[in-house]
Amino acid sequence: DTGVSQDPRHKITKRGQNVTFRCDPISEHNRLYWYRQTLGQGPEFLTYFQNEAQLEKSRLLSDRFSAERPKGSFSTLEIQRTEQGDSAMYLCASSSPSRLKETQYFGPGTRLLVL
Amino acid sequence: AQSVTQLGSHVSVSEGALVLLRCNYSSSVPPYLFWYVQYPNQGLQLLLKYTSAATLVKGINGFEAEFKKSETSFHLTKPSAHMSDAAEYFCAKNAGNMLTFGGGTRLMVKP
Repeated sequence: DTGVSQDPRHKITKRGQNVTFRCDPISEHNRLYWYRQTLGQGPEFLTYFQNEAQLEKSRLLSDRFSAERPKGSFSTLEIQRTEQGDSAMYLCASSSPSRLKETQYFGPGTRLLVL
Repeated sequence: AQSVTQLGSHVSVSEGALVLLRCNYSSSVPPYLFWYVQYPNQGLQLLLKYTSAATLVKGINGFEAEFKKSETSFHLTKPSAHMSDAAEYFCAKNAGNMLTFGGGTRLMVKP
């Protein structure tokens, strides 16, 4: 049973560079979520896809951030012109709708450090 | 306004002692509530969830939580702490299509 996977696990970049992260959800899950977690805090919602459609975006998702899920399978999160404040753990989760409120299953995260 | 509050950012217990991690929520409708655990440099693992079926919910690794509507609480307990329980614990509420998390409680277990 393959869980949610994320790549890379760690990324160090210099301020002003662009970075892209990938998330592969659990195969039968049609919903995919991105969260950001800063040190000592709980995760904060960034955006959500149902299949290939991006249905909701947080105000935290500035215009430097873009997320895609082109074929309704894997997703990418790109940050352009990175800033030191972007340093955080970026978590991806997936879920499958059911009669009960769906449970979100999380990947291991990508830890970003902007120097 | 914070809709999920975890009282105590750090909790320390002795091995074998009772674990109690507190979570209070605010919601205008009956919520779905979750507890996740996060080990260092890892993602979140689901411990248990409340979906209005039963107020006492049992999860993995011997943890359980009780939903108390009158107190708007969903505290996490375990009768006897193990060293392997040392981790960060997050309470979360399902708010539409997203989870809203509390600030987390770091559990330390002393030998």
